[in-house]
Amino acid sequence: DAMVIQNPRYQVTQFGKPVTLSCSQTLNHNVMYWYQQKSSQAPKLLFHYYDKDFNNEADTPDNFQSRRPNTSFCFLDIRSPGLGDAAMYLCATSRDTMDRVFEQYFGPGTRLTVT
Amino acid sequence: KQEVTQIPAALSVPEGENLVLNCSFTDSAIYNLQWFRQDPGKGLTSLLLIQSSQREQTSGRLNASLDKSSGRSTLYIAASQPGDSATYLCAVRDNYGQNFVFGPGTRLSVLP
Repeated sequence: DAMVIQNPRYQVTQFGKPVTLSCSQTLNHNVMYWYQQKSSQAPKLLFHYYDKDFNNEADTPDNFQSRRPNTSFCFLDIRSPGLGDAAMYLCATSRDTMDRVFEQYFGPGTRLTVT
Repeated sequence: KQEVTQIPAALSVPEGENLVLNCSFTDSAIYNLQWFRQDPGKGLTSLLLIQSSQREQTSGRLNASLDKSSGRSTLYIAASQPGDSATYLCAVRDNYGQNFVFGPGTRLSVLP
């Protein structure tokens, strides 16, 4: 089945220790998104890739970076995690087509704990 | 700046009841609206997508409507079941960018 995969599902890191979260997709979608969701809050968009073009939200901290080496993979790098970065990180994809249907498909998420 | 709200924040109903969840958005210049379901500690599952030119979409026991001019969407769930218990989120994509803006969600509990 075509899907969005996130690894690992649970990640524990130490305060200040860099961490990378991974997302892959078999949907061949050209747009990939990273969201941060804290407990009982709405998902908040951090950034997205439209093909190879990176689009950063204005209020995304510099501590968060992303890489997309190819269509299938996208990574979220947190350079120096703080306690406030503990959250669920959600990856999503969508396809930009001629008829412009932008339905988003989400992965299961990675829950990040910062100790 | 687009803002999305959802009412009620939480809802508890007995099994078998029909129910309506509400979503409101401040900027009516939207491209589409999507309803999601989220189980505790899990990712989001897409339920229905309504394009700005559409009035409603149906899938099984779910029906979503869109009134773009008034900035509202409703999700109607017929004959609710305990398995419907989850948080329901709506998200709008505006005409200006690629991003979606989410509402805070409605936490639904269906009691057996």
